[in-house]
Amino acid sequence: QVHLVESGGGVVQPGRSLRLSCAASGFSYSSYAMHWVRQAPGKGLEWVAFISYDGINKFYADSVKGRFTLSRDNSKNTLSLQMNSLRAEDTAVYYCARELLRGGAFDVWGQGTMVTVSS
Amino acid sequence: AVQLTQSPSSLSASVGDRVTITCRASQDIGSTLAWYQQKPGKAPKLLIHEATSLESGVPSRFTGSGSWTDFTLTISSLQPEDFATYYCQQFSGDSLTFGGGTKVEIK
Repeated sequence: QVHLVESGGGVVQPGRSLRLSCAASGFSYSSYAMHWVRQAPGKGLEWVAFISYDGINKFYADSVKGRFTLSRDNSKNTLSLQMNSLRAEDTAVYYCARELLRGGAFDVWGQGTMVTVSS
Repeated sequence: AVQLTQSPSSLSASVGDRVTITCRASQDIGSTLAWYQQKPGKAPKLLIHEATSLESGVPSRFTGSGSWTDFTLTISSLQPEDFATYYCQQFSGDSLTFGGGTKVEIK
């Protein structure tokens, strides 16, 4: 069965760092582009970052560019999001999501991990 | 970046009603649009991709239409399990954006 499981969320002070992970199983992980999407409490969905299937191409939302770094390890079927210089507005549930092979939409999502940035 | 405007932001409907949600893009995005359903505390679920293609396992009462800048999600006969929030999402270029969401509530 296809699964994505996020981990690493928690409470962190403004300006500090946090690293999220996403473990993939049940599919050929190295064939798929992956994304992170977040949702602030009571708010809508916000795309955060993209990484191509081979890890070469990466794109980030303007709101996180220069602070967040996305990486993947295809030998371990894992995705990581390094979040630095965290701000209160980064508080959200963070989802990792698989992109369709034909592109663009997300057909598999994890359950999400909560990140709270607060002093 | 492409902006997506969904309307209405919320609606009340009864079981059996036909429901239509619209999504307008700030520029031509061809057919690079998807629709998702999200229930409280759960991850979004893909319903429609490439504007009109029904995702495997999604009931046929869900229909996507439109192209260029104007798109529609239609639920032909609302079922109790359809009360949720719906989001459109575009994927043209090197960035992705979501619409603001439409909450479908029970009348």
